[in-house]
Amino acid sequence: DVKVTQSSRYLVKRTGEKVFLECVQDMDHENMFWYRQDPGLGLRLIYFSYDVKMKEKGDIPEGYSVSREKKERFSLILESASTNQTSMYLCASTHRGTSDQETQYFGPGTRLLVL
Amino acid sequence: RKEVEQDPGPFNVPEGATVAFNCTYSNSASQSFFWYRQDCRKEPKLLMSVYSSGNEDGRFTAQLNRASQYISLLIRDSKLSDSATYLCVVNGKGGSYIPTFGRGTSLIVHP
Repeated sequence: DVKVTQSSRYLVKRTGEKVFLECVQDMDHENMFWYRQDPGLGLRLIYFSYDVKMKEKGDIPEGYSVSREKKERFSLILESASTNQTSMYLCASTHRGTSDQETQYFGPGTRLLVL
Repeated sequence: RKEVEQDPGPFNVPEGATVAFNCTYSNSASQSFFWYRQDCRKEPKLLMSVYSSGNEDGRFTAQLNRASQYISLLIRDSKLSDSATYLCVVNGKGGSYIPTFGRGTSLIVHP
């Protein structure tokens, strides 16, 4: 059974703190993604990765960085958390194949509150 | 202009009703199309892919109109458990296939 896990379901941090969100998939997928989801704005892509040590900016990368040292793990880093980064963060992975094979498998999400 | 547009709803329908959602996309080079379902406070999950010839899965039917650049989802005989947000997703070509999500359409099925 396909599985994507995220390190925390709920997280409360203070402004200025460094925040690490971890995502692990057990499907040997090449592609991994980080999104944030906010009411009325839908899912927005922050960063994605096609392979180990490889990363590409999505639509809203400002204030975030990522790390992919191992194929199964993709980390999202908030260098200095701000209140406007309060959101639901979703990780996803896909197998690299034809376009209709690349369906997204999501983790359960991390609800981050920055005070 | 948003790349993928959906009516946010909510669509409020009684059990047993038939309901349809549309989704328009702006990139004519889009490769593939999907509907995802997202329950409240949960992650999105794939509902069905959308093929050029149309496809059906039980009470759910998906259609693609490339000429007009829209996809549709039809739900027949709605159940209370169909209440959710339905996300339209379009895969475009990048290094791999980068998905663009619509903002979702909310469906509420009431007794």
